[in-house]
Amino acid sequence: ETGVTQTPRHLVMGMTNKKSLKCEQHLGHNAMYWYKQSAKKPLELMFVYSLEERVENNSVPSRFSPECPNSSHLFLHLHTLQPEDSALYLCASSQDFRGTYEQYFGPGTRLTVT
Amino acid sequence: AQSVSQHNHHVILSEAASLELGCNYSYGGTVNLFWYVQYPGQHLQLLLKYFSGDPLVKGIKGFEAEFIKSKFSFNLRKPSVQWSDTAEYFCAVPGAAGNKLTFGGGTRVLVKP
Repeated sequence: ETGVTQTPRHLVMGMTNKKSLKCEQHLGHNAMYWYKQSAKKPLELMFVYSLEERVENNSVPSRFSPECPNSSHLFLHLHTLQPEDSALYLCASSQDFRGTYEQYFGPGTRLTVT
Repeated sequence: AQSVSQHNHHVILSEAASLELGCNYSYGGTVNLFWYVQYPGQHLQLLLKYFSGDPLVKGIKGFEAEFIKSKFSFNLRKPSVQWSDTAEYFCAVPGAAGNKLTFGGGTRVLVKP
């Protein structure tokens, strides 16, 4: 079982659709993250959860809504997205949310908004 | 807020050449430093990390990095690259509060066989 899994791996959605991205970690970690990776831009941290509590919301538009029902699962609910939201969305986990701990990344979901 | 600069966006070199990628950060209160690598079609994964002790850190696949506190730098090196080192490399440093990692913009390295 790989450490951090993400589904789906690819997603195409229209601007009026609602979809969700799922992340699961099998490492027993307490912190989980959502990142956005766009071409020609640095990796952008979106949300951080520690023990199911959101500890960071990095000025992300409300059309992105995270959910962390337990320390192993993280969702990103998407609605009324814009074409500029097309990107690779990465999930990561670490032992603790403090930056001193190594983060383990999933393979990402390639999102295309049409 | 912490900022991380990777000066080279693209590097092209031949096999057996030496590689050095620069990384500079703005906030020096932390000494936890990371390099991550993303091989084509693969996950971002840790290449090496520095927490304390010897400022010359050795990682996987023959990579090493040197922490120079006075220069706020953590440059990555490999004496002799291979075609399989073709990847994107990211430097990452915790923020001022010690939480969250700030990533540099990444450097795409292409090693020609």
